[in-house]
Amino acid sequence: DVQLTQSPSFLSASVGDRVTITCRASPGVNSYLAWYQQKPGKAPNLLIFGGSTLQNGVPSRFSGSKSGTEFTLTISSLQPEDSATYYCQQFNDYPLTFGPGTKVAIK
Amino acid sequence: QVQLQESGPGLVKPSETLSLTCTVSGGSISTVAFYWSWVRQFPGKGLQWIGYIHYGGNTVYNPSLANRIVTSLDVSKNQFSLKLRSVTAADTALYYCARGRPMVTYYFDLWGPGALVTVSS
Repeated sequence: DVQLTQSPSFLSASVGDRVTITCRASPGVNSYLAWYQQKPGKAPNLLIFGGSTLQNGVPSRFSGSKSGTEFTLTISSLQPEDSATYYCQQFNDYPLTFGPGTKVAIK
Repeated sequence: QVQLQESGPGLVKPSETLSLTCTVSGGSISTVAFYWSWVRQFPGKGLQWIGYIHYGGNTVYNPSLANRIVTSLDVSKNQFSLKLRSVTAADTALYYCARGRPMVTYYFDLWGPGALVTVSS
């Protein structure tokens, strides 16, 4: 199975800060990785697929990139409504697997 | 717009069968465009993919669960279902139905709100 690790597991940042979350895949997953945002009591919500393609309706402050087997989710200017847990998911191979999540809090 | 909604018992006894149904509204499940899927989230928040069923008839399951799972489609009711047999406390989780959009395998572009299932006597 593909193992996904995320770092950090928790981060606290101020409104307006640039925030980056990393997801590493072992073995590699080409560009077949998605990012989801989950708020308390809600289902995950798709932000990015294919490593860097923004899902329709997702604010442009969210972006994704890839370097080797490392993927990055960036929030260019953190907003209060971005307080959530973020998960990566690989879809290069079965079984589909998720990262353990990164919780983002607002200072 | 398309919406998904899970339904089923919230409490299941150990060794019995967990049964959940996902009702799709605002769109038809009778399409080859999507994979109708199940994902669960454990109390510690980890997410686990369970499997999918496709209108074309094929299914793919997580190998760790494959010998306990059955999924089905009911096109007349626009629903798909999950049965997980021989449950234990380790199957206690929030169960989501989700729509899968194919790309190599697939990712999830739409989720139901989730159904909490507790396994306890």
